[in-house]
Amino acid sequence: SQQGEEDPQALSIQEGENATMNCSYKTSINNLQWYRQNSGRGLVHLILIRSNEREKHSGRLRVTLDTSKKSSSLLITASRAADTASYFCATLGNQGGKLIFGQGTELSVKP
Amino acid sequence: EPEVTQTPSHQVTQMGQEVILRCVPISNHLYFYWYRQILGQKVEFLVSFYNNEISEKSEIFDDQFSVERPDGSNFTLKIRSTKLEDSAMYFCASGDMGGETQYFGPGTRLLVL
Repeated sequence: SQQGEEDPQALSIQEGENATMNCSYKTSINNLQWYRQNSGRGLVHLILIRSNEREKHSGRLRVTLDTSKKSSSLLITASRAADTASYFCATLGNQGGKLIFGQGTELSVKP
Repeated sequence: EPEVTQTPSHQVTQMGQEVILRCVPISNHLYFYWYRQILGQKVEFLVSFYNNEISEKSEIFDDQFSVERPDGSNFTLKIRSTKLEDSAMYFCASGDMGGETQYFGPGTRLLVL
């Protein structure tokens, strides 16, 4: 089954630094999405990148997708303390289908 | 901005009891989902619902689970006889006609004692 697996599992940086999280998956996808989860809270959709796209930007977020390597990365530039959260990648195999989530990266941004 | 809502936010129940978790998806969405997240673990798919029927379910979604869309707005998950291992955060999600992006509710934290 397809799985999104992130690394690192935990990342601690200083405010202002960039944070990079990686995700790998196993099977073909329609798209890959990144979500943020603050401790004990709901999932907030951040960005979606389709299988025919290589890079996408949204504000301080930059996502890349390499379908040949079945991997994606999420870059958060100029991090803020408020970016402290868990970040999950999730793959979608077909429209309307289920999301397969990875284990997540726990990001801590110290002021 | 429209959002998915879920009630209750927390529920404590005794093992063997029935629970119903409620969700109000975004109003013009066509795809509906339940996921769960056991504490410290990844989010797991339970079931998807489209055109008034289940379109896919996971191995977790056994005979103890059922879903319903009783009217035009609510989407419910029922667990008939809860087990200790059902303790988790349950998320409802909905997707628009494109079926690409899923929007999640804030979750219901279920604790089975």
